[in-house]
Amino acid sequence: TQTVSQSDAHVTVFEGDSVELRCNYSYGGSIYLSWYIQHHGRGLQFLLKYYSGNPVVQGVNGFKAEFSKSDSSFHLRKASVHWSDSAVYFCAVSAASNTNKVVFGTGTRLQVLP
Amino acid sequence: NSKVIQTPRYLVKGQGQKAKMRCIPEKGHPVVFWYQQNKNNEFKFLINFQNQEVLQQIDMTEKRFSAECPSNSPCSLEIQSSEAGDSALYLCASSLGYAEQFFGPGTRLTVL
Repeated sequence: TQTVSQSDAHVTVFEGDSVELRCNYSYGGSIYLSWYIQHHGRGLQFLLKYYSGNPVVQGVNGFKAEFSKSDSSFHLRKASVHWSDSAVYFCAVSAASNTNKVVFGTGTRLQVLP
Repeated sequence: NSKVIQTPRYLVKGQGQKAKMRCIPEKGHPVVFWYQQNKNNEFKFLINFQNQEVLQQIDMTEKRFSAECPSNSPCSLEIQSSEAGDSALYLCASSLGYAEQFFGPGTRLTVL
């Protein structure tokens, strides 16, 4: 069974700072790893996904994530955050053998201060 | 941007009442999911469908919830007898089946 953990419940940065949101997973086989963003009171919006190939995946709005098999990680990064990036970010994992079962992390709330 | 539609956005029910919410998935997406998200942002998978057939569901969904995804009609999730612990955001998502899911805005259920 695949699991995913997000070690930081809250991250606070200033506008223009860089940010890294951490995600670690466990699963023995091939997996899909994804990041989603949830603004307050809204549904989740897909940011990016990794399955194979280049371990650095570019997403929307300047986000990117890097897969590391050795660290079992898929951290999300942005070089310069904007106040509108304030939201809750969820990491998700699904086994390639069953992409209809998606396990979500507990989320990291990112607060961007002006 | 997601085109998944969920109605109503807000639902208030008394304990023991039925609570029904609907979802129209993105056109062409064969897989539909329902999740319950609590105040701590934790997700609980409830049920998913491929076309009109149930793929997976948890025990709670089997016992107190009913859900369906008929062809040419919205999908629906209904709680037969609402409990205070059912208060949550109910999210519907649809997918082509390649791990990426498209979510609706959710139905926020409050059980008084």
